[in-house]
Amino acid sequence: SQQGEEDPQALSIQEGENATMNCSYKTSINNLQWYRQNSGRGLVHLILIRSNEREKHSGRLRVTLDTSKKSSSLLITASRAADTASYFCATGLLSGGATNKLIFGTGTLLAVQP
Amino acid sequence: ETGVTQTPRHLVMGMTNKKSLKCEQHLGHNAMYWYKQSAKKPLELMFVYNFKEQTENNSVPSRFSPECPNSSHLFLHLHTLQPEDSALYLCASRDISGSNEKLFFGSGTQLSVL
Repeated sequence: SQQGEEDPQALSIQEGENATMNCSYKTSINNLQWYRQNSGRGLVHLILIRSNEREKHSGRLRVTLDTSKKSSSLLITASRAADTASYFCATGLLSGGATNKLIFGTGTLLAVQP
Repeated sequence: ETGVTQTPRHLVMGMTNKKSLKCEQHLGHNAMYWYKQSAKKPLELMFVYNFKEQTENNSVPSRFSPECPNSSHLFLHLHTLQPEDSALYLCASRDISGSNEKLFFGSGTQLSVL
């Protein structure tokens, strides 16, 4: 069974609107990260939130983490056509006291219409 | 440019061929990863190398053989692959000795097995 699942699978919005993507996971984590992927390319790290944090901001990005519900959300405000991409959450799992590996979710495909 | 370079970008091979994927990172990182990304499936972690030592083999079939000769280079040797092995293979690296836990990805090798 997979660790992370994003919701929705696909999202289409107009430029200027906000986009919210959700991620649920199953096991205890050390941190949760969000990545972005343009079609056929590698993933690019966006933001990391640690298990003892509840909210974090970076530019137009806002991430929340609720460890009691094992869920996270990524909010992109004032979206632009260039934000069109797939967005993945990744859970950092503890191993021997450190994060040894990241397990990725299924991704949300975001399309921002100009 | 993320500092992680993968070659080739595209590869088409028959089921009886032997080929190798190459990954090189110029970031001074000490951990390297292979992920497989198939259509409509989550990224699958294949192998993890920390300080050139393999620390994770996620039940990957033996037709995939990784090699990490030093901390900057990672190879994935392929032989007698199956059509279902067609996917985007992504290499990533990070520094596990610091507190920065984000992964840096290459652009991937798009593999087609005929």
